[in-house]
Amino acid sequence: EPEVTQTPSHQVTQMGQEVILRCVPISNHLYFYWYRQILGQKVEFLVSFYNNEISEKSEIFDDQFSVERPDGSNFTLKIRSTKLEDSAMYFCASSEETGGRGEKLFFGSGTQLSVL
Amino acid sequence: AQKITQTQPGMFVQEKEAVTLDCTYDTSDPSYGLFWYKQPSSGEMIFLIYQGSYDQQNATEGRYSLNFQKARKSANLVISASQLGDSAMYFCAMREGGGMETSYDKVIFGPGTSLSVIP
Repeated sequence: EPEVTQTPSHQVTQMGQEVILRCVPISNHLYFYWYRQILGQKVEFLVSFYNNEISEKSEIFDDQFSVERPDGSNFTLKIRSTKLEDSAMYFCASSEETGGRGEKLFFGSGTQLSVL
Repeated sequence: AQKITQTQPGMFVQEKEAVTLDCTYDTSDPSYGLFWYKQPSSGEMIFLIYQGSYDQQNATEGRYSLNFQKARKSANLVISASQLGDSAMYFCAMREGGGMETSYDKVIFGPGTSLSVIP
């Protein structure tokens, strides 16, 4: 079964540094998402992306965050200047091209980000 | 405002018994979708079952069924014949959309219920 791939699985960084989390969505999917989960708790929506632009973003997704689809396959989340509270598991997800309320999200296995 | 409520932070069930995990939601959209995901200790998010707001029948997928009560805005997950491998976090989620001011581009999750299956 096709899957969403995320790299790296773990990322350790110093506070104030920039990090880029990478995702390869399922190839025929056109809707992409980033979520984060702190300490195994609630799964929080960050941003959705369609047709090379942000569709929706949450209040968490401030100016420190950006997303990009640089080459037609990768989907990246950049955090410009990391803070301690950015430490979390970051999940990438995608859904099928038809969109619609019934389209389930396919999740990657996540990147555990630790900010020291 | 909390759109998805899961009132049971933790649940225990005896192996082979059935268990119901509660989920209530809040939306003014007539068109929405409801999902349940399982997250085992390994961390991946596994899709279990989907219910559309216009679906006439409750969704079923193997041992999983969804008790959808639209008027009460509840979408409880029922797991029959629990197995040890069912021990995990379970998240209820909703995708709103279809109106002029909303889109289908956001799925929001509830706080989750931790299920432990006892041998």
